[in-house]
Amino acid sequence: AQSVTQLGSHVSVSEGALVLLRCNYSSSVPPYLFWYVQYPNQGLQLLLKYTSAATLVKGINGFEAEFKKSETSFHLTKPSAHMSDAAEYFCAVSESVAGGYNKLIFGAGTRLAVHP
Amino acid sequence: DSGVTQTPKHLITATGQRVTLRCSPRSGDLSVYWYQQSLDQGLQFLIQYYNGEERAKGNILERFSAQQFPDLHSELNLSSLELGDSALYFCASSPYSSSYNEQFFGPGTRLTVL
Repeated sequence: AQSVTQLGSHVSVSEGALVLLRCNYSSSVPPYLFWYVQYPNQGLQLLLKYTSAATLVKGINGFEAEFKKSETSFHLTKPSAHMSDAAEYFCAVSESVAGGYNKLIFGAGTRLAVHP
Repeated sequence: DSGVTQTPKHLITATGQRVTLRCSPRSGDLSVYWYQQSLDQGLQFLIQYYNGEERAKGNILERFSAQQFPDLHSELNLSSLELGDSALYFCASSPYSSSYNEQFFGPGTRLTVL
């Protein structure tokens, strides 16, 4: 079974600093990986996804993630944090089963705080 | 705005009751997924429907059931509610049922069981 581990349930950075949110996955097959963001009292919004086309994936709001097979990682980064980036971030892997259905398996989430 | 709508936004009910949560997927999306988000369990997949047919079941209790109607909207029915069922319930949709398709999430229904 596939799984996702997000290291650090809380990350705090200064405005303008580098954001690094860690995600490691476990999968016996090439994975499809996603990062979602959840702002307070809202649903999940897709930041970016990896579907094997390129190892460095660029997403919305200046975020990007790099797929590293050797490290089974898909860390999310942003060069310069903005106050509006404060939210909870979820890494997810898509698990598919013969028969054509799939589900997202989510990590526990990382809450990002950005302080002035 | 993802294009996925969920009603109601909030629901407060008592133990033992039954509630129905409604989801309308994005226009043209055939797959609907239900997830539960709670503090202790995180985000858990419940069930998936594709074009009216149940496709996958996750950690869904027997007291819970769902269906997808011909117009592709879906309903999640929760019965014999317990305090532990209090959570955010999200619906998501995608065009098909492929692993590489991202899922678009609705704003969620917050269920409080008293």
